[in-house]
Amino acid sequence: GAGVSQTPSNKVTEKGKYVELRCDPISGHTALYWYRQSLGQGPEFLIYFQGTGAADDSGLPNDRFFAVRPEGSVSTLKIQRTERGDSAVYLCASSLQTSVGDTQYFGPGTRLTVL
Amino acid sequence: AQSVTQLDSHVSVSEGTPVLLRCNYSSSYSPSLFWYVQHPNKGLQLLLKYTSAATLVKGINGFEAEFKKSETSFHLTKPSAHMSDAAEYFCVVSTGTGGSYIPTFGRGTSLIVHP
Repeated sequence: GAGVSQTPSNKVTEKGKYVELRCDPISGHTALYWYRQSLGQGPEFLIYFQGTGAADDSGLPNDRFFAVRPEGSVSTLKIQRTERGDSAVYLCASSLQTSVGDTQYFGPGTRLTVL
Repeated sequence: AQSVTQLDSHVSVSEGTPVLLRCNYSSSYSPSLFWYVQHPNKGLQLLLKYTSAATLVKGINGFEAEFKKSETSFHLTKPSAHMSDAAEYFCVVSTGTGGSYIPTFGRGTSLIVHP
């Protein structure tokens, strides 16, 4: 079956612009996670959803970052007034449910470059 | 609180020799532990996971890991390295602390396999 997909695969933008990154999880997966991965680092948690609601957004670095999942499937990560430090690979993962031992299935990521 | 330390940023082996990637964790609660692999320009893929059942866990592609509570370790091993094993490996801990299921990733270990 289809895995997690993310669009676009690459996004180049200018400092100060607004960007949206999309994630399509595996059908039927209720949990959806967003991570940010900088070069040479492990993925860093941003936010996760259980269904439509954000269960924990403690990883969002500041109020320029926002994410939604209005119908409990597709999610969009929104970044306002982008800064050069936002450049990274943004990863999305989904899992069947939210529990400690659940396997997360990752998308290929969106590489964001802020010039 | 939870944390994970991958003791080596790079491990270099010859094809056909054993692989050892080291991971130590810290957690206030019983953890679930995972190893993920990331090939260049590919998404993260689960190799194996420990979720409080058997302490010796077998994964895909001949990898296995042993959960050692007394040593707070979850090292990844493989008897014989293959060229296709060259990739970035991440150790992950998850405890569900306070009802929030946020995994913590290590910084990664780059496995280099020489012919």
